[in-house]
Amino acid sequence: AQSVTQLDSQVPVFEEAPVELRCNYSSSVSVYLFWYVQYPNQGLQLLLKYLSGSTLVESINGFEAEFNKSQTSFHLRKPSVHISDTAEYFCAVTGTGANNLFFGTGTRLTVIP
Amino acid sequence: KAGVTQTPRYLIKTRGQQVTLSCSPISGHRSVSWYQQTPGQGLQFLFEYFSETQRNKGNFPGRFSGRQFSNSRSEMNVSTLELGDSALYLCASSLYGGAYTDTQYFGPGTRLTVL
Repeated sequence: AQSVTQLDSQVPVFEEAPVELRCNYSSSVSVYLFWYVQYPNQGLQLLLKYLSGSTLVESINGFEAEFNKSQTSFHLRKPSVHISDTAEYFCAVTGTGANNLFFGTGTRLTVIP
Repeated sequence: KAGVTQTPRYLIKTRGQQVTLSCSPISGHRSVSWYQQTPGQGLQFLFEYFSETQRNKGNFPGRFSGRQFSNSRSEMNVSTLELGDSALYLCASSLYGGAYTDTQYFGPGTRLTVL
């Protein structure tokens, strides 16, 4: 079985400051990891994913996440946040052959002007 | 290409009633998954349909059911509603399912309130 823990329910950060949203996973099989973002009154959008290969994955809007197998983590980072990054971020995991995602409880990122 | 659409966007029901939610996947997608999102439990997987067959089911009571039609549109039904069923119900579509091989595209959700 797979599970995800997002350690911070809320993260306030000033505009142009760096941010890290933490995600730890638990799994007995090979894992595939995802970050989704949910803007107010919208569905989830895929931000980035790790399937295999390079442990550092990037999104088109400046976010990146690093798969760390020894620490069972997949933290999301951005060196400089914008107001438009204010949203809820969900980490998710799945395993080989699975048809569904297991989500964390989410981290609400609030960017302060 | 149109995204995943869900109807209705908002619903208010009373305890004991039943409700049907609808999801139209992206054209060409054959897999539809349903998730329940609540503040306390977060996002939880309900079930997944592929080519009109339920392939996978989460840990929800039998009051929660679904089906998929030949055009891949899916409906979810909740019978005998309880207060705890109040949630945002999200639908996701993908080409073939397989959460790690296919990207899942989510709809905006249906906000269900049970009074």
